[in-house]
Amino acid sequence: DARVTQTPRDKVTEMGQEVTMRCQPILGHNTVFWYRQTMMQGLELLAYFRNRAPLDDSGMPKDRFSAEMPDATLATLKIQPSEPRDSAVYFCASGFGLAGNTDTQYFGPGTRLTVL
Amino acid sequence: AQSVTQPDIHITVSEGASLELRCNYSYGATPYLFWYVQSPGQGLQLLLKYFSGDTLVQGIKGFEAEFKRSQSSFNLRKPSVHWSDAAEYFCAVGAEGSARQLTFGSGTQLTVLP
Repeated sequence: DARVTQTPRDKVTEMGQEVTMRCQPILGHNTVFWYRQTMMQGLELLAYFRNRAPLDDSGMPKDRFSAEMPDATLATLKIQPSEPRDSAVYFCASGFGLAGNTDTQYFGPGTRLTVL
Repeated sequence: AQSVTQPDIHITVSEGASLELRCNYSYGATPYLFWYVQSPGQGLQLLLKYFSGDTLVQGIKGFEAEFKRSQSSFNLRKPSVHWSDAAEYFCAVGAEGSARQLTFGSGTQLTVLP
C-alpha cells in the first residue's frame, strides 16, 4: 500500500528557530505539492514541483520559506526564522502528471507545527 | 481563478440516515472535482473524483457524488450514514495550469448521532 510519508509528525519550536519538514512522495509520482492548513485560512497551496523542478511557489512567504526536492524521493519545506503565525498543519501530496494535468493527489499525514 | 464553496459548515445526522453534502464550484472550463475526508489528526483521504464521462461517480465507503454542470455543483451523498463517517469533508477543484493544483472548499464537519 503506497503512501506519502512525512516527518516529523509533530514539531514544537521556539520563535526564530529553523524548521525543516520532509516528505517522501509515492514511488513513481513526479509531482509534489505542499499545503498548509489553519483554522482561519483552511487548506492553502504553498508550492509544487514537477520532476523535481519548482513550478510555482507563489503561495509561500518568500522571505522565510523555501522548498526543495534534492532528489525524486525527498521534498523539503524549510522555515527560517519561524514565527508563531507559522503554526499550522503542513501537508505534502504527490501525484503523477503530464503537461498541464496531474492525476489524483495523495496526501501524507501532515506535520503539525507549533511555534511558541 | 477557480473557487469552491461548501455552504454547510457543520451538519448533524443520525446514524442510518441519508446524507448530502453540498459543493459548488466556480471554474471556466471543465473541472476536475474531488471529495476528500479528514478524520481528526489525520491526513486527507480521497473519497472519489470526477474527471469526465459519467456524471454520477462512485467512491469508497459507500459514497457517491453527482456532477451537475448546469448548477456548478458536485454534491456528495451516502444513503445510510455510519458512526465512523464522522469527520470533516472537503470538496476541491483541480485547475488547469502547470500541474492542476487543487483549490479546496472550507470543509463541512459531519457529526453522527447514535
